[in-house]
Parts: sequence; structure tokens; C-alpha cells
Amino acid sequence: GENVEQHPSTLSVQEGDSAVIKCTYSDSASNYFPWYKQELGKRPQLIIDIRSNVGEKKDQRIAVTLNKTAKHFSLHITETQPEDSAVYFCAASLMNRDDKIIFGKGTRLHILP
Amino acid sequence: NAGVTQTPKFRVLKTGQSMTLLCAQDMNHEYMYWYRQDPGMGLRLIHYSVGEGTTAKGEVPDGYNVSRLKKQNFLLGLESAAPSQTSVYFCATSLVGDTQYFGPGTRLTVL
Repeated sequence: GENVEQHPSTLSVQEGDSAVIKCTYSDSASNYFPWYKQELGKRPQLIIDIRSNVGEKKDQRIAVTLNKTAKHFSLHITETQPEDSAVYFCAASLMNRDDKIIFGKGTRLHILP
Repeated sequence: NAGVTQTPKFRVLKTGQSMTLLCAQDMNHEYMYWYRQDPGMGLRLIHYSVGEGTTAKGEVPDGYNVSRLKKQNFLLGLESAAPSQTSVYFCATSLVGDTQYFGPGTRLTVL
């Protein structure tokens, strides 16, 4: 089955700097890769996703890149702000066949003042 | 429009007791999922359903059962609770298997 590895487990960056979180997946057939943000004590919420037919997607300060050959994808947050402090989860799924979504173990992002 | 709700919010059980967690949605979504979240372990899929009357096993199904008798409800059962099942349980729904909408979570402690 699918396995998703996420690194780093903890990341601290100065406010205004960029943050990068990386994930690798094992099943080359996976075709959907979402990223979720979970603030302390709250439920996870989708922040961005990418499908296997696209290499990069941007939404304001966040972007996701996908390298299908290497089976890895990354989340990039630019101009970080205090409200970016949270736990971020990547996930991989084979839509329309298996439909399981397997999550990475998460990255706790700290934005330092 | 409540979205995704979970009942109860908190529960304390003794080892060997049983209980059922209810997930309800008014979004008319086909897909529903149950996850458990433990420190450092991320979100692990327990069971899921791709439509009314269907269920399938996820990554960690042992010790849990599920039922999806109605499209809007997905029940997670623990027949004989164990301390290892102490966790935060999240339900999620999805229209076609992509974006997941999570419920607020249920914090379960098994003594």
C-alpha cells in the first residue's frame, strides 16, 4: 500500500522568511496530493492540492511542486507570518480506484518573531 | 448548515467497555472517513466509505467496526475498548474523493 514520508518533523523560521516541507510517496500510481493545515486544538483544513498532471500550483503565498519521477512533492510558504504557525500534513491518494488518502506524520512549523 | 458534526466531543471509557462514535454530515457527500490522530503519528485512516451501504478498511482497522446505513451518517464502533485506543478521532467527508472536510474531533480516553 501507499506510504508517505514527511520531513522535517519540526521547522522554525524567522517571520518573513520562506518555509519548505517535503514529502515522498511510494505508489507511483497515486494521482492526488493535498496539503492540510491544523492549528492547535482545531480540525485539519485543506490549504492547497495538486494532481498528477500538474507540476506546480500556487495560491498567493503558498505553492506546491510535484516531481512524479522522483515521487516527491513539496509545500513552499513565502513571506511567513505568525498565523502560519501550525502543523502541516501532506497526503497522497489514488483517486477513482483506491480512494484511500494516506497522510504523512506532519510538520510542526514555528514562526519566530 | 452544520457541515460535519461528531458526537460525542469527549468520552472516558474503562477497558473492555464499548461505544459508538457518530459522524453526521449535511453536505450530501458520498465519501466518509474515520481517522485517529496520535502525537507524532499524523492522521491514520481507520475505515472509510465510498457510498451508502459500503465500507472499507484503512491503515489501522483492527479493534474497530463501522457502518454506513444512511448516506449522511458514518458510525465508528469500539466493541471492547483498550488503552491503545486512547486518541483523538476525526471524521471527514468528501464529495468525490478529493478535498476532505473534517469534523471537530472526539477525544477518547480509555482507562
